[in-house]
Amino acid sequence: DAKTTQPPSMDCAEGRAANLPCNHSTISGNEYVYWYRQIHSQGPQYIIHGLKNNETNEMASLIITEDRKSSTLILPHATLRDTAVYYCIRRAYNTGNQFYFGTGTSLTVIP
Amino acid sequence: GAGVSQTPSNKVTEKGKYVELRCDPISGHTALYWYRQSLGQGPEFLIYFQGTGAADDSGLPNDRFFAVRPEGSVSTLKIQRTERGDSAVYLCASSLTGAGLIADTQYFGPGTRLTVL
Repeated sequence: DAKTTQPPSMDCAEGRAANLPCNHSTISGNEYVYWYRQIHSQGPQYIIHGLKNNETNEMASLIITEDRKSSTLILPHATLRDTAVYYCIRRAYNTGNQFYFGTGTSLTVIP
Repeated sequence: GAGVSQTPSNKVTEKGKYVELRCDPISGHTALYWYRQSLGQGPEFLIYFQGTGAADDSGLPNDRFFAVRPEGSVSTLKIQRTERGDSAVYLCASSLTGAGLIADTQYFGPGTRLTVL
């Protein structure tokens, strides 16, 4: 049970912002939202995580709705190297430590 | 510093054979995780170590799978009597603490691709 819902695929033009949605309508108060991405034949790479507030780092921004039922990962200026599968994951911070991955969103950045 | 490393990168074996897959976590990371990823799917949790002990092995599919971490660093995933359905990429991840109230990021290795003929 992945517990998150993501569109299976998306395209984005190079240089434009890529907005990847994730639905986690049954999220609990003690669960973080994590985003990882996986480029072909590599291990998953950490992008960002958040609990309630919006977060930004050098890779991306994470926007979490006020009710926490959904979130959006934003890559502000997509490059060809951002082509990957993006996983949105829920993880409780004080019970269990494993990640439950879904099938993710396959993002293709188009030149 | 060095990331998580896994050896071998590729392993081809015959049905019924025994295999060992090795994971070297990031130095100082107390938590270590094994996942399995089949083609077109996201990684699937197998087992989690906190130090030397397996804190959660609920993801191991059956008793042919076993993992150890005797000194709290390197871990070995062992698969007995391999079956064709075991073919997958086996991923290892480590994190600094693995427990408690801190959101603890997992860092993944490149994986070992296991093919059972």
